[in-house]
Amino acid sequence: DAKTTQPPSMDCAEGRAANLPCNHSTISGNEYVYWYRQIHSQGPQYIIHGLKNNETNEMASLIITEDRKSSTLILPHATLRDTAVYYCIVRGTYNAGNMLTFGGGTRLMVKP
Amino acid sequence: NAGVTQTPKFRILKIGQSMTLQCAQDMNHNYMYWYRQDPGMGLKLIYYSVGAGITDKGEVPNGYNVSRSTTEDFPLRLELAAPSQTSVYFCASTGTGPGEQYFGPGTRLTVT
Repeated sequence: DAKTTQPPSMDCAEGRAANLPCNHSTISGNEYVYWYRQIHSQGPQYIIHGLKNNETNEMASLIITEDRKSSTLILPHATLRDTAVYYCIVRGTYNAGNMLTFGGGTRLMVKP
Repeated sequence: NAGVTQTPKFRILKIGQSMTLQCAQDMNHNYMYWYRQDPGMGLKLIYYSVGAGITDKGEVPNGYNVSRSTTEDFPLRLELAAPSQTSVYFCASTGTGPGEQYFGPGTRLTVT
């Protein structure tokens, strides 16, 4: 699975959109981009995933560039409860164990 | 659905003791995983299973053993506990295809 690069930390004002970038320049055609978050010491929580097209659900939007080398997770109206570590993970369909490889993630601090 | 459950929530072990961390899921998922997370770090895969009776090593398997006799349960055994095994342990499960992994609440283990 391709490696990802994320900024170690970001701040966001409450009520504003939080845009979290992820670089995955070696991604191949059958690899999905996944986003998870971990609030304090809880178990990671799935947010969204995508292959080529942009995706939106009730939690967030995922924007994937046309060349698929980078993506952005957008939390449209960040709240204090969105303070967490956000992990961008690339996983291929050939990954026989459906495993996830976690990097360091981005620590998002939402401030009042 | 209870999702993924883990017991115990907390445990303190003395060096050289053994214990089993329990994990169960009620979603009929084929794939199950054990991760460990050291302070300030991302999750690392210890062992995984693609179905009952089938297990395989992850990135950091030394000092651990697993078994998968049923679809629902995936216990993690620590033999001869060492201080380096002080960590938070997360169990997860997923079905086939590119869907999300569901994580348990974690077990916080201290070895002194």
